[in-house]
Amino acid sequence: GAGVSQTPSNKVTEKGKYVELRCDPISGHTALYWYRQSLGQGPEFLIYFQGTGAADDSGLPNDRFFAVRPEGSVSTLKIQRTERGDSAVYLCASSQKYNEQFFGPGTRLTVL
Amino acid sequence: AQSVSQHNHHVILSEAASLELGCNYSYGGTVNLFWYVQYPGQHLQLLLKYFSGDPLVKGIKGFEAEFIKSKFSFNLRKPSVQWSDTAEYFCAVNALGNEKLTFGTGTRLTIIP
Repeated sequence: GAGVSQTPSNKVTEKGKYVELRCDPISGHTALYWYRQSLGQGPEFLIYFQGTGAADDSGLPNDRFFAVRPEGSVSTLKIQRTERGDSAVYLCASSQKYNEQFFGPGTRLTVL
Repeated sequence: AQSVSQHNHHVILSEAASLELGCNYSYGGTVNLFWYVQYPGQHLQLLLKYFSGDPLVKGIKGFEAEFIKSKFSFNLRKPSVQWSDTAEYFCAVNALGNEKLTFGTGTRLTIIP
């Protein structure tokens, strides 16, 4: 079956701009996660949804970052007033509750 | 909060050599443990996982890992590596009942034909 998909695969933006990153989870997976991976590092947790609600957003670095999952399927990660330090690969994963997480290919964000 | 240490940043081996990659975690409670692999140009995929039971777990492609609770370790092993094992390997942990994964910094494995 189809895996987790993320769009766009690459995004280049200028400092101060707003960006949206999209994640389509595996059909039927109730849990959805966002992680951020900087060069030479492992993925870092940002936020986790169970259904439509954010069950844990403790990893969001500041209030410029926000994510939604209005219908319990597709999720959008939104970054306002982007900074150069936001450049990273943003990973999405989905899972059945309390089970392994399946990762998407990521969106590489570059802030100039 | 939990943390994960992978002390080997880059490992270079010849084909048919044996492999052991270290992973230590820091957390006082019950954990689930994972090894993920990222092949060049591909996304993260699960190699193996430990939730409970037999501390020696077997995964795909001949990999195995042993959970040693007293040492807070979950080292990855393979008796004979292949060139196709060249990849980045990540150890990860989550606390029981907590969905978020904490990853180590990864180990880059290069296999020389």
